[in-house]
Amino acid sequence: EVQLVESGGGLVQPGGSLRLSCAASRFTFTSYAMSWVRQAPGKGLEWVSALSGNGISTYYADSVKGRFTISRDSSTNTLYLQMNSLRAEDTAVYYCAKEDIAAVGYYYYMDVWGKGTTVTVSS
Amino acid sequence: DIQMTQSPSSLSASVGDRVTITCRAGQSISSYLNWYQQKPGKAPKLLIYAASSLQSGVPSRFSGSGSGTDFTLTISSLQPEDFATYYCQQSYSTLTWTFGQGTKVEIK
Repeated sequence: EVQLVESGGGLVQPGGSLRLSCAASRFTFTSYAMSWVRQAPGKGLEWVSALSGNGISTYYADSVKGRFTISRDSSTNTLYLQMNSLRAEDTAVYYCAKEDIAAVGYYYYMDVWGKGTTVTVSS
Repeated sequence: DIQMTQSPSSLSASVGDRVTITCRAGQSISSYLNWYQQKPGKAPKLLIYAASSLQSGVPSRFSGSGSGTDFTLTISSLQPEDFATYYCQQSYSTLTWTFGQGTKVEIK
């Protein structure tokens, strides 16, 4: 079964940094784009960042642009999210998700999700 | 950014009811629209992609329709396990997504 397991969350002070990891298994990691999606307490889903399948192109929500960096290590099948200059509003559960594409029409969709890791930004 | 607006924000329904949730995009997105279900404390689950394609393993009581700016998720006969929050998500602008604000389906 395809699996994604996030780790690296925790409590950090405003202005601090944290690196999240997402360990992928049972699929060809380098063939798929990947995304990070977060959910603040009691709020809806917010897409944060994505990495193209070839690992070259990166995409960010305006709310994190310039502060967060997405990357991957193909040798360990791990996706990362480096988070710098953290703010209270970054407090959320962070999910990683695998992006699949429909055979016809170039339709992307997030078909596999991890269980999430919690980030709390507070002094 | 493409704005996605869902309605209603919440609804109450009974087991066996037909439920319809609407999602409107701020611009035309063709059929680049996905639907997810999320239960409390759990990760989202993909239900529908490309506006009307049922994800493998999802019960056939779920269906999606629409194109352009207006989309609908329908649950034909609500089951106890369907009480959850539902989100639409546009996949039109490559790898730069936005979600609707969610629709919570509660027990009447």
